[in-house]
Amino acid sequence: NAGVTQTPKFQVLKTGQSMTLQCAQDMNHNSMYWYRQDPGMGLRLIYYSASEGTTDKGEVPNGYNVSRLNKREFSLRLESAAPSQTSVYFCASSRIRDTEAFFGQGTRLTVV
Amino acid sequence: AQSVTQLGSHVSVSEGALVLLRCNYSSSVPPYLFWYVQYPNQGLQLLLKYTSAATLVKGINGFEAEFKKSETSFHLTKPSAHMSDAAEYFCAVSDRGGGNKLTFGTGTQLKVEL
Repeated sequence: NAGVTQTPKFQVLKTGQSMTLQCAQDMNHNSMYWYRQDPGMGLRLIYYSASEGTTDKGEVPNGYNVSRLNKREFSLRLESAAPSQTSVYFCASSRIRDTEAFFGQGTRLTVV
Repeated sequence: AQSVTQLGSHVSVSEGALVLLRCNYSSSVPPYLFWYVQYPNQGLQLLLKYTSAATLVKGINGFEAEFKKSETSFHLTKPSAHMSDAAEYFCAVSDRGGGNKLTFGTGTQLKVEL
């Protein structure tokens, strides 16, 4: 049982480059989330998708876009990467009306 | 708006000693509360959760937490620390609304010394 799978695990980008972080879950969860983790700041919500076909901004959405491709997949896109987007990115999923979120292993992104 | 405050970014205990990690929350509605643990270079794993049933919640690895509404607290405890407990711990609150978004505290790094 894979749970939440994120790809890639590591990535180095140059300023201005674009990339897409992929996330897939096999638990038939309705809700999916993207968080970023920075030292001393905990995890901050970038975007979330309460159900297939819907997406909403979280606390720190600037510089990011998302796509809920289907019920399983939720991708995060950086159109023009900036050094401030250097972070560890986590994807998570949960069932509607059940509150436990399951996390992927994270993507460590460095923008130089 | 909901928020979580974790007192102490770093806590150090001796092996066998009591572990106490503090969490206070702010929420306009009765909250769902969680503790997650993160080991180095890994994702977050759920330790325990409070969802308005029993106020004393038992989790994995011998951890427990007590919901105290009057103190708006949800502190995490373990009677006897083990070296394997060294990790970062996050308290989180859920909005209970559409999407069940989690708001996290800034984390507490637990160090366990011999």
